[in-house]
Amino acid sequence: TQLLEQSPQFLSIQEGENLTVYCNSSSVFSSLQWYRQEPGEGPVLLVTVVTGGEVKKLKRLTFQFGDARKDSSLHITAAQPGDTGLYLCAGEPDSWGKFQFGAGTQVVVTP
Amino acid sequence: EAQVTQNPRYLITVTGKKLTVTCSQNMNHEYMSWYRQDPGLGLRQIYYSMNVEVTDKGDVPEGYKVSRKEKRNFPLILESPSPNQTSLYFCASGTQPYNSPLHFGNGTRLTVT
Repeated sequence: TQLLEQSPQFLSIQEGENLTVYCNSSSVFSSLQWYRQEPGEGPVLLVTVVTGGEVKKLKRLTFQFGDARKDSSLHITAAQPGDTGLYLCAGEPDSWGKFQFGAGTQVVVTP
Repeated sequence: EAQVTQNPRYLITVTGKKLTVTCSQNMNHEYMSWYRQDPGLGLRQIYYSMNVEVTDKGDVPEGYKVSRKEKRNFPLILESPSPNQTSLYFCASGTQPYNSPLHFGNGTRLTVT
């Protein structure tokens, strides 16, 4: 059972378009993290959101943590081919150490 | 350079032949963890360790063993591998508190025939 549900599973867009990836759960998380993974490599942390309602920006990427701390979203403005990758959300729903990951959203940005 | 190193990168073996995947980190992290990644399932946690000699089961521990005798090393042991353990494996490390980043190795692609 996946505690963190990501949608969509796959997203293919043209360069310059915007996109949003969602991460939802029925559980409350003390924090959520977003990672990006490229082929042949391990995931790399993009951001951690901690406070309900928090919005963080990383250049063209905007991350939001839901008020109830059960969901998060990642919005990319004017996507570029370099944004292509597998985006994963992750968090610890209960005991420290048991990190849970969503199944990921594969984003493909074509020139 | 701060890094998590896994070996080997690729491994093909046969059912029942014991194997070990090594993981080493040079960042003095207390926390280390193993994941397997399968298409459509994302990363699933196998085992984790909060510190030396402290290990605990993740979501899919069956068929795996770990040990944490030193802070920097966290090997994953498959005593009797089976084809359903064919997967991409990642080791990760991190510091406390919980919202600190996880640092991942580059993965080990394991095929069990």
